[in-house]
Amino acid sequence: GQNIDQPTEMTATEGAIVQINCTYQTSGFNGLFWYQQHAGEAPTFLSYNVLDGLEEKGRFSSFLSRSKGYSYLLLKELQMKDSASYLCAVRPLSGGYQKVTFGTGTKLQVIP
Amino acid sequence: DAGVIQSPRHEVTEMGQEVTLRCKPISGHDYLFWYRQTMMRGLELLIYFNNNVPIDDSGMPEDRFSAKMPNASFSTLKIQPSEPRDSAVYFCASSAGTAGNTIYFGEGSWLTVV
Repeated sequence: GQNIDQPTEMTATEGAIVQINCTYQTSGFNGLFWYQQHAGEAPTFLSYNVLDGLEEKGRFSSFLSRSKGYSYLLLKELQMKDSASYLCAVRPLSGGYQKVTFGTGTKLQVIP
Repeated sequence: DAGVIQSPRHEVTEMGQEVTLRCKPISGHDYLFWYRQTMMRGLELLIYFNNNVPIDDSGMPEDRFSAKMPNASFSTLKIQPSEPRDSAVYFCASSAGTAGNTIYFGEGSWLTVV
């Protein structure tokens, strides 16, 4: 099975940079997703990492270290609209690679 | 393109009543998922289908829950009888069947059982 840990809540200032960490323990690992979920809305895809390293996509970047079971999502130039929950999710290597397991999410509050 | 479409968006029902949630996946997607989200447990996978066939229902909480996918464009999740602890947001999601493909979520069905 998979076990995913994320901080429950974080607060950051508009215009700043914030890093949201995710650690996972899994019996087999294929890749890691980050999703954004605004209150009352559906989760929306941000990134998917399979290989070690940093992938940048505009203001958002995602990092993966497979050997350490660790990922982070980096948000730059924070905007008020970035206030949301950020979900880390792991795709297994076997046993059904579509059986993605989600963490409980990190609720980010951006303050002026 | 239309995304994943769910109905109803909100439902309030009395304990013991039957609840049916409906989902239309994105056209061309061959995987369909039902998730449940609560504050305590986060987003949990209940069941998923591939080409209309249930593949893994190990997340279904108990026999009161059942899901069907009679064709590629429609699925239902049924709770009978409903209980207050079933109150949650139920998300349907779909994806195309290649590794790494994104899972797209519907807007969710907010269920309250009183």
